[in-house]
Amino acid sequence: AQKVTQAQTEISVVEKEDVTLDCVYETRDTTYYLFWYKQPPSGELVFLIRRNSFDEQNEISGRYSWNFQKSTSSFNFTITASQVVDSAVYFCALSDSSGAGSYQLTFGKGTKLSVIP
Amino acid sequence: NAGVTQTPKFRVLKTGQSMTLLCAQDMNHEYMYWYRQDPGMGLRLIHYSVGEGTTAKGEVPDGYNVSRLKKQNFLLGLESAAPSQTSVYFCASWRPPGEQFFGPGTRLTVL
Repeated sequence: AQKVTQAQTEISVVEKEDVTLDCVYETRDTTYYLFWYKQPPSGELVFLIRRNSFDEQNEISGRYSWNFQKSTSSFNFTITASQVVDSAVYFCALSDSSGAGSYQLTFGKGTKLSVIP
Repeated sequence: NAGVTQTPKFRVLKTGQSMTLLCAQDMNHEYMYWYRQDPGMGLRLIHYSVGEGTTAKGEVPDGYNVSRLKKQNFLLGLESAAPSQTSVYFCASWRPPGEQFFGPGTRLTVL
């Protein structure tokens, strides 16, 4: 069975600080996908990144970066120079084939990030 | 492209009433999903579909039924609503390995 753990329930940082959101996953599959989504106070889910299990290259997109390490089953997300607009709940999610090609998506419980001006 | 749309956006039901939530996507995706989001629980999968005419149970399927008669639509039904089904419901569609697209959500309250 697949599982995603986001151990940090809530994080508060002062604007311009860097912050890292942790994500640890469990899966028996060798082929799987990892995602990060942002849910701002308005409630919609905003896609941030998808990474497949064969691509361990870290990625940077502006102030966002992601560190994927298969050896520790982690897919951590770092925001550099945080801004108030980054305040949201962030979800890490995992999808694997589950043996039937269903690609069920399992979400972590989310980390609520508050950026204080 | 409208992406993924959900109808209605808000609904209040009394215990025992029934209703259907409609999800529609215009991206020709095979996979569609229904999730519920409760405080502190993240999103949990209710039912999903890997193609027209097929459905399967997710993590929390009890009290819900689904149908996928057309590829672009995925319906979620509550036959006899209970207060425990008060939640925000999200629909999503996907063609792996791309992005999974989510609808805007439906906020359901069962009194």
